[in-house]
Amino acid sequence: GAVVSQHPSRVICKSGTSVKIECRSLDFQATTMFWYRQFPKKSLMLMATSNEGSKATYEQGVEKDKFLINHASLTLSTLTVTSAHPEDSSFYICSARDLQGNQPQHFGDGTRLSIL
Amino acid sequence: GEDVEQSLFLSVREGDSSVINCTYTDSSSTYLYWYKQEPGAGLQLLTYIFSNMDMKQDQRLTVLLNKKDKHLSLRIADTQTGDSAIYFCAESNNAGNMLTFGGGTRLMVKP
Repeated sequence: GAVVSQHPSRVICKSGTSVKIECRSLDFQATTMFWYRQFPKKSLMLMATSNEGSKATYEQGVEKDKFLINHASLTLSTLTVTSAHPEDSSFYICSARDLQGNQPQHFGDGTRLSIL
Repeated sequence: GEDVEQSLFLSVREGDSSVINCTYTDSSSTYLYWYKQEPGAGLQLLTYIFSNMDMKQDQRLTVLLNKKDKHLSLRIADTQTGDSAIYFCAESNNAGNMLTFGGGTRLMVKP
């Protein structure tokens, strides 16, 4: 149980392109999903907390207009990197928390984004 | 703010036990987690422990918590080459809420 699916797993695109990443909880409902960014050989950096039906909460230093988050249902959150540039190249990982009980976060497999 | 520290690297021989250590500073931490990350993949939840527990064992994994010293460890018995990965310690003050991660420990298992 507690499977989180993240798509796509890898994206390569030209500078200026907007890229959408999906995060789905497959066998549970998640009122809260989290988006992280991971630089090579580094730990995870929380970008934002995505709340179903309301605006996301962004961490300090993360541009909300650059990283658009939509959490329209209890099983899906999307992160759109708008007008991506090479410095946005990174590994993006989502996680979701089961709304029932005190459950830990479960993570997707990540999306490697490469901007040329 | 909260801080979670881990050693960067651990090398063991196949069949030996591995012990990965973690220290944290937030005294209000109530849940402590161990996640495993293989190359190019997301994080896999291995186990977690509530702060009123001292130990939790799950097959080859044993978690020890010293709340007084704010020290957490993960012991992997009979370490296998498939255990080679990066292991992240994390803490939160409420289950499922915002996690604070350590920098990760890279475990290398030599045949």
